[in-house]
Amino acid sequence: AQKITQTQPGMFVQEKEAVTLDCTYDTSDPSYGLFWYKQPSSGEMIFLIYQGSYDQQNATEGRYSLNFQKARKSANLVISASQLGDSAMYFCAMKETSGSRLTFGEGTQLTVNP
Amino acid sequence: DVKVTQSSRYLVKRTGEKVFLECVQDMDHENMFWYRQDPGLGLRLIYFSYDVKMKEKGDIPEGYSVSREKKERFSLILESASTNQTSMYLCASSLESHNEKLFFGSGTQLSVL
Repeated sequence: AQKITQTQPGMFVQEKEAVTLDCTYDTSDPSYGLFWYKQPSSGEMIFLIYQGSYDQQNATEGRYSLNFQKARKSANLVISASQLGDSAMYFCAMKETSGSRLTFGEGTQLTVNP
Repeated sequence: DVKVTQSSRYLVKRTGEKVFLECVQDMDHENMFWYRQDPGLGLRLIYFSYDVKMKEKGDIPEGYSVSREKKERFSLILESASTNQTSMYLCASSLESHNEKLFFGSGTQLSVL
């Protein structure tokens, strides 16, 4: 069974600094996709970035990049130049190719301080 | 713009009541999902559907059922609501592919008293 672990319940970062949110996963499926979502206090789930297990390069989307280390089964989210609006809950998730379901981690609450 | 709409943002029900949570998507997506979100537990999958009239149990289906009579609509049913079903419920939809992201509704905060 697939499993996602986010070990940081809360993280703090100063505005304009970079921050890394950790995510490890476990799966026996050789083909899978990894996702990061942001959930601000308004409650909406916002898709940030996707990484496929066979992608050769780490995914990047603007200030977001995914540090994908397949051998270590980790998919950490890096946010560069943090902004106050980045304060939110962040979820890591995985979908195996063999299935349709997306399994989420417990989430990390990020607070950006001015 | 793609849209997943949940019928209620907030809902208050009594223990033992039958509760219907409705979700509609306008993207012609094959897959639809119901999650519940609780602090410290992340999002947990209750049920999902990959086609009309098809459904599969997620990780925590007990106490819930679902209905998908039309492609665009996926309903979550609490047959007899209990206080431990007080939670945020999130509906989502996606295309049928492992690299397709989920689109989420804005959520329904259900309180069972």
